[in-house]
Amino acid sequence: GIQVEQSPPDLILQEGANSTLRCNFSDSVNNLQWFHQNPWGQLINLFYIPSGTKQNGRLSATTVATERYSLLYISSSQTTDSGVYFCALAQGGKLIFGQGTELSVKP
Amino acid sequence: DTGVSQNPRHKITKRGQNVTFRCDPISEHNRLYWYRQTLGQGPEFLTYFQNEAQLEKSRLLSDRFSAERPKGSFSTLEIQRTEQGDSAMYLCASSSPGEKLFFGSGTQLSVL
Repeated sequence: GIQVEQSPPDLILQEGANSTLRCNFSDSVNNLQWFHQNPWGQLINLFYIPSGTKQNGRLSATTVATERYSLLYISSSQTTDSGVYFCALAQGGKLIFGQGTELSVKP
Repeated sequence: DTGVSQNPRHKITKRGQNVTFRCDPISEHNRLYWYRQTLGQGPEFLTYFQNEAQLEKSRLLSDRFSAERPKGSFSTLEIQRTEQGDSAMYLCASSSPGEKLFFGSGTQLSVL
Protein backbone atom coordinates (compact mmCIF):
# COMPACT_ATOMS: atom_id res chain seq x y z
CA GLY A 1 0.00 0.00 0.00
CA ILE A 2 0.90 3.64 -0.17
CA GLN A 3 3.50 4.88 2.33
CA VAL A 4 3.20 8.33 3.91
CA GLU A 5 6.14 9.83 5.78
CA GLN A 6 6.01 13.13 7.62
CA SER A 7 8.87 15.24 8.91
CA PRO A 8 9.91 16.46 11.33
CA PRO A 9 8.12 14.34 13.93
CA ASP A 10 8.27 17.16 16.47
CA LEU A 11 8.77 20.90 16.21
CA ILE A 12 8.98 23.61 18.86
CA LEU A 13 8.62 27.23 17.77
CA GLN A 14 8.54 30.61 19.37
CA GLU A 15 5.38 32.57 18.67
CA GLY A 16 5.78 34.57 15.47
CA ALA A 17 8.18 32.15 13.79
CA ASN A 18 7.57 30.45 10.45
CA SER A 19 7.73 26.72 9.78
CA THR A 20 7.56 24.15 7.00
CA LEU A 21 6.17 20.66 7.46
CA ARG A 22 6.86 17.98 4.87
CA CYS A 23 4.93 14.95 3.65
CA ASN A 24 6.59 12.40 1.35
CA PHE A 25 4.58 9.66 -0.29
CA SER A 26 5.37 6.54 -2.23
CA ASP A 27 2.81 6.53 -5.03
CA SER A 28 0.97 8.83 -7.38
CA VAL A 29 -1.83 10.75 -5.76
CA ASN A 30 -5.17 12.21 -6.83
CA ASN A 31 -6.34 13.16 -3.34
CA LEU A 32 -4.08 14.63 -0.64
CA GLN A 33 -5.38 16.43 2.42
CA TRP A 34 -3.79 18.20 5.39
CA PHE A 35 -5.39 18.13 8.85
CA HIS A 36 -4.73 19.80 12.17
CA GLN A 37 -5.57 17.89 15.36
CA ASN A 38 -5.91 20.38 18.19
CA PRO A 39 -4.92 19.58 21.78
CA TRP A 40 -8.54 18.53 22.48
CA GLY A 41 -8.37 15.90 19.77
CA GLN A 42 -10.57 17.49 17.10
CA LEU A 43 -9.34 16.95 13.54
CA ILE A 44 -9.82 19.96 11.29
CA ASN A 45 -9.41 19.76 7.53
CA LEU A 46 -6.97 22.43 6.37
CA PHE A 47 -6.48 21.72 2.68
CA TYR A 48 -7.53 19.43 -0.12
CA ILE A 49 -4.49 19.71 -2.38
CA PRO A 50 -3.63 16.89 -4.81
CA SER A 51 -1.44 19.32 -6.78
CA GLY A 52 -0.48 22.98 -6.93
CA THR A 53 -0.57 25.60 -4.19
CA LYS A 54 -3.34 26.90 -1.97
CA GLN A 55 -3.39 29.55 0.73
CA ASN A 56 -5.72 30.13 3.64
CA GLY A 57 -4.68 33.02 5.86
CA ARG A 58 -1.34 32.29 7.50
CA LEU A 59 -1.32 28.72 6.17
CA SER A 60 -0.42 27.59 2.70
CA ALA A 61 0.25 24.22 1.11
CA THR A 62 2.04 23.04 -1.99
CA THR A 63 1.94 19.58 -3.53
CA VAL A 64 4.43 18.51 -6.21
CA ALA A 65 2.81 15.28 -7.31
CA THR A 66 5.53 14.37 -9.84
CA GLU A 67 8.14 14.45 -7.05
CA ARG A 68 5.79 12.87 -4.49
CA TYR A 69 5.86 15.42 -1.73
CA SER A 70 3.69 18.07 -0.15
CA LEU A 71 4.63 20.99 2.09
CA LEU A 72 2.57 22.86 4.66
CA TYR A 73 3.76 26.37 5.52
CA ILE A 74 2.77 28.13 8.70
CA SER A 75 3.71 31.78 8.91
CA SER A 76 3.71 34.03 11.98
CA SER A 77 2.82 31.08 14.18
CA GLN A 78 0.46 31.50 17.14
CA THR A 79 -0.02 29.38 20.25
CA THR A 80 -3.34 28.21 18.80
CA ASP A 81 -1.41 26.53 15.97
CA SER A 82 -0.15 23.95 18.47
CA GLY A 83 -1.23 20.38 17.93
CA VAL A 84 -0.51 17.60 15.46
CA TYR A 85 -0.51 18.08 11.71
CA PHE A 86 -1.34 15.11 9.51
CA CYS A 87 -1.19 14.60 5.79
CA ALA A 88 -3.37 11.89 4.31
CA LEU A 89 -3.52 10.34 0.86
CA ALA A 90 -6.18 8.40 -0.92
CA GLN A 91 -5.77 4.68 -1.49
CA GLY A 92 -8.87 3.51 -3.24
CA GLY A 93 -11.80 5.19 -1.53
CA LYS A 94 -10.12 5.77 1.83
CA LEU A 95 -7.45 8.14 3.20
CA ILE A 96 -4.20 6.79 4.64
CA PHE A 97 -2.67 9.02 7.30
CA GLY A 98 0.93 9.73 8.10
CA GLN A 99 2.28 9.65 11.65
CA GLY A 100 1.99 13.39 12.00
CA THR A 101 4.17 16.33 13.03
CA GLU A 102 3.60 17.54 16.58
CA LEU A 103 3.95 21.32 16.73
CA SER A 104 4.31 23.26 19.94
CA VAL A 105 4.24 27.07 19.74
CA LYS A 106 5.58 28.82 22.83
CA PRO A 107 4.43 32.34 23.82
CA ASP B 1 -25.06 22.02 8.64
CA THR B 2 -24.18 20.82 12.11
CA GLY B 3 -21.07 18.83 11.18
CA VAL B 4 -20.34 15.20 11.99
CA SER B 5 -21.82 14.13 15.31
CA GLN B 6 -20.65 11.17 17.40
CA ASN B 7 -22.14 9.64 20.52
CA PRO B 8 -21.20 8.95 23.19
CA ARG B 9 -18.11 11.14 23.71
CA HIS B 10 -16.70 8.75 26.27
CA LYS B 11 -17.37 5.10 27.05
CA ILE B 12 -15.91 3.07 29.88
CA THR B 13 -16.63 -0.63 29.82
CA LYS B 14 -15.41 -3.84 31.33
CA ARG B 15 -13.51 -6.39 29.31
CA GLY B 16 -15.88 -8.82 27.61
CA GLN B 17 -18.79 -6.39 27.31
CA ASN B 18 -20.24 -5.21 23.99
CA VAL B 19 -20.28 -1.53 23.06
CA THR B 20 -21.97 0.42 20.27
CA PHE B 21 -21.10 3.86 18.94
CA ARG B 22 -23.19 6.09 16.72
CA CYS B 23 -22.18 8.54 14.00
CA ASP B 24 -24.39 11.08 12.23
CA PRO B 25 -22.59 12.42 9.13
CA ILE B 26 -23.03 15.73 7.34
CA SER B 27 -26.39 15.29 5.66
CA GLU B 28 -25.34 15.76 2.03
CA HIS B 29 -22.32 13.43 2.29
CA ASN B 30 -22.84 9.93 0.94
CA ARG B 31 -19.52 8.54 2.21
CA LEU B 32 -19.00 7.67 5.85
CA TYR B 33 -15.76 6.42 7.37
CA TRP B 34 -14.68 4.89 10.67
CA TYR B 35 -11.12 5.32 11.94
CA ARG B 36 -9.37 4.37 15.18
CA GLN B 37 -6.60 6.41 16.79
CA THR B 38 -4.29 5.56 19.67
CA LEU B 39 -1.96 7.94 21.46
CA GLY B 40 0.87 9.21 19.30
CA GLN B 41 -0.43 7.61 16.11
CA GLY B 42 -2.28 8.82 13.06
CA PRO B 43 -5.86 7.72 12.46
CA GLU B 44 -6.05 4.10 11.28
CA PHE B 45 -8.70 3.19 8.70
CA LEU B 46 -11.35 0.68 9.79
CA THR B 47 -14.14 0.74 7.21
CA TYR B 48 -16.18 2.97 4.95
CA PHE B 49 -19.63 3.16 3.36
CA GLN B 50 -21.01 4.76 0.28
CA ASN B 51 -24.68 5.26 1.04
CA GLU B 52 -25.73 2.00 2.73
CA ALA B 53 -23.10 -0.18 1.05
CA GLN B 54 -19.99 -1.11 3.03
CA LEU B 55 -17.31 -0.80 0.34
CA GLU B 56 -14.17 -1.66 2.26
CA LYS B 57 -13.15 -3.11 5.59
CA SER B 58 -9.61 -3.13 6.92
CA ARG B 59 -8.04 -6.57 7.00
CA LEU B 60 -6.75 -5.62 10.43
CA LEU B 61 -10.31 -5.43 11.69
CA SER B 62 -11.23 -8.40 13.84
CA ASP B 63 -14.56 -10.14 13.38
CA ARG B 64 -15.57 -8.73 16.76
CA PHE B 65 -16.07 -5.40 14.98
CA SER B 66 -19.12 -4.72 12.85
CA ALA B 67 -20.45 -1.55 11.29
CA GLU B 68 -23.77 -0.73 9.69
CA ARG B 69 -25.35 2.13 7.84
CA PRO B 70 -28.83 0.77 7.27
CA LYS B 71 -30.52 3.69 5.53
CA GLY B 72 -27.47 5.46 4.18
CA SER B 73 -27.63 8.12 6.87
CA PHE B 74 -26.28 7.45 10.39
CA SER B 75 -23.92 4.58 11.13
CA THR B 76 -23.19 2.37 14.13
CA LEU B 77 -19.96 0.62 15.07
CA GLU B 78 -20.26 -2.33 17.44
CA ILE B 79 -17.43 -4.05 19.23
CA GLN B 80 -18.28 -7.40 20.77
CA ARG B 81 -16.41 -9.00 23.67
CA THR B 82 -14.21 -5.95 24.18
CA GLU B 83 -10.53 -6.38 25.01
CA GLN B 84 -8.14 -3.94 26.66
CA GLY B 85 -6.40 -3.52 23.30
CA ASP B 86 -9.61 -2.02 21.91
CA SER B 87 -9.09 1.07 24.07
CA ALA B 88 -8.72 3.98 21.64
CA MET B 89 -10.43 7.00 20.14
CA TYR B 90 -12.97 5.93 17.51
CA LEU B 91 -13.41 8.60 14.85
CA CYS B 92 -16.13 8.98 12.28
CA ALA B 93 -15.79 11.11 9.17
CA SER B 94 -17.89 11.92 6.13
CA SER B 95 -17.35 13.31 2.66
CA SER B 96 -18.60 13.41 -0.87
CA PRO B 97 -16.47 11.17 -3.16
CA GLY B 98 -13.06 12.71 -3.87
CA GLU B 99 -13.67 15.72 -1.67
CA LYS B 100 -12.61 16.97 1.75
CA LEU B 101 -13.05 14.65 4.71
CA PHE B 102 -14.72 16.07 7.83
CA PHE B 103 -14.32 14.40 11.22
CA GLY B 104 -16.50 14.21 14.28
CA SER B 105 -15.15 14.72 17.79
CA GLY B 106 -14.72 11.00 18.35
CA THR B 107 -15.71 8.46 21.01
CA GLN B 108 -13.01 7.68 23.56
CA LEU B 109 -13.29 4.03 24.60
CA SER B 110 -11.64 2.72 27.76
CA VAL B 111 -11.78 -1.01 28.40
CA LEU B 112 -10.99 -1.93 32.00
